[in-house]
Amino acid sequence: QVQLMQSGAEVKKPGASVKVSCRASGYIFTDYPISWVRQAPGQRPEWMGWINVGDGQTKYSQTFQGRVTITRDTSANVVHMQLSSLTSEDTALYFCARAPYSGSYLPYHYWGQGTLVTVSS
Amino acid sequence: EIVMTQSPATLSVSPGERATLSCRASQSVRSNLAWYQQKPGQAPRLLIYISSTRATGIPTRFSGSGSDTEFTLTISGLQSEDSAVYYCQQYNNWPPGFGPGTKVEIK
Repeated sequence: QVQLMQSGAEVKKPGASVKVSCRASGYIFTDYPISWVRQAPGQRPEWMGWINVGDGQTKYSQTFQGRVTITRDTSANVVHMQLSSLTSEDTALYFCARAPYSGSYLPYHYWGQGTLVTVSS
Repeated sequence: EIVMTQSPATLSVSPGERATLSCRASQSVRSNLAWYQQKPGQAPRLLIYISSTRATGIPTRFSGSGSDTEFTLTISGLQSEDSAVYYCQQYNNWPPGFGPGTKVEIK
């Protein structure tokens, strides 16, 4: 069965960077794009960006442009999301997600369990 | 960027009754609209996509309708486990965006 397993919770200081991982299993890794979505406490989910796992092409939300980088390691079936110049407003749950159909970017049928990133001095 | 709105913000419904949730887009998204259910501490769960197609494993009491700018999620015969926040998401235009959510409470 399809599974997306994310790395554990992180606590970072303002100005630092964080790298969150998403390990995929149960399907052909390179056939499905992976997106990253974050959700601040009490807020709606917010799309951050996605990666075409097959060719590595990425697209990012303008909200995070310049601060977010999504990469993949096809040998390990892992997608990474790195967010830099963290502030307290980046405190949120970060999810990786996948669409139901090969080659499709949306909507999100499969989700990771979420990684809590806390930014605090 | 398309702005998504949802109403009401909170809906209180008795078990067995029907819940009707609305979602509006600031411009046409055709039928590229999804609904998600989210419970505390969990990832969102896809319920409906392409406005009215139920995702795999979703009970038939969940139904979606609408197109262009007006969409509805109906939960017929509400059950206690349906207590959650429901989000709509448009994926017709970039960037994909979510509505603010409707919290469904069980009376």
